[in-house]
Amino acid sequence: EVQLVESGGGLVQPGGSLRLSCAASGFTFSRYWMSWVRQAPGKGLEWVANIKEDGSEKYYVDSVKGRFTISRDNAKNSLYLQMDSLRAEDTAVYYCARHWNSIFFFFDYWGQGTLVTVSS
Amino acid sequence: DIQMTQSPSSLSASVGDRVTITCRASQGISNYLAWYQQKPGKVPNLLIYAASTLQSGVPSRFSGSGSGTDFTLTISSLQPEDVAAYYCQNYNSAPLTFGGGTKVEIK
Repeated sequence: EVQLVESGGGLVQPGGSLRLSCAASGFTFSRYWMSWVRQAPGKGLEWVANIKEDGSEKYYVDSVKGRFTISRDNAKNSLYLQMDSLRAEDTAVYYCARHWNSIFFFFDYWGQGTLVTVSS
Repeated sequence: DIQMTQSPSSLSASVGDRVTITCRASQGISNYLAWYQQKPGKVPNLLIYAASTLQSGVPSRFSGSGSGTDFTLTISSLQPEDVAAYYCQNYNSAPLTFGGGTKVEIK
């Protein structure tokens, strides 16, 4: 059974940093592109970033470029999101999600999400 | 960036009704469109990909159609368990973009 379990969310002040983790199991993690998708309270879904199977390619939505860094450790079956210079508008539930394959970038599995709150 | 516009933003229908949700892309995306269902307090769940291919395990009352810029998600006979928000997603090109969502309620 595919499982994605996020952790690392919490309350942080504006300008602060946070590192999210996603532990993957039930599939060969190193064979899949992975993404972070966020959802602000009461709002819709927003793709944040994704990373190639081997970590050699990374892409970001414009609003987080230069502030967020996606990474992965295939030996640990883990995905990460380093979030720096956090803003109030980054407040959201952050989901780890698996891409269908390396060609079609829709999401077939999602984690339960971790809440990030940016507030003073 | 490709903008995805869903309509309506919310709807209320009776059990057994046929429900249609529309998603329009700001430029052509072929059939690189997925639909997700998110029940209240739950995680998004993949319903349809490639505009019309039903994901395994999804009830056959759900169907999708369209190509290019205009897409439709149809629930042929609305059930109480279909109360949820529905989102379309473009995966034709980066950045990946979602529609604003459609909330479906029971009248």
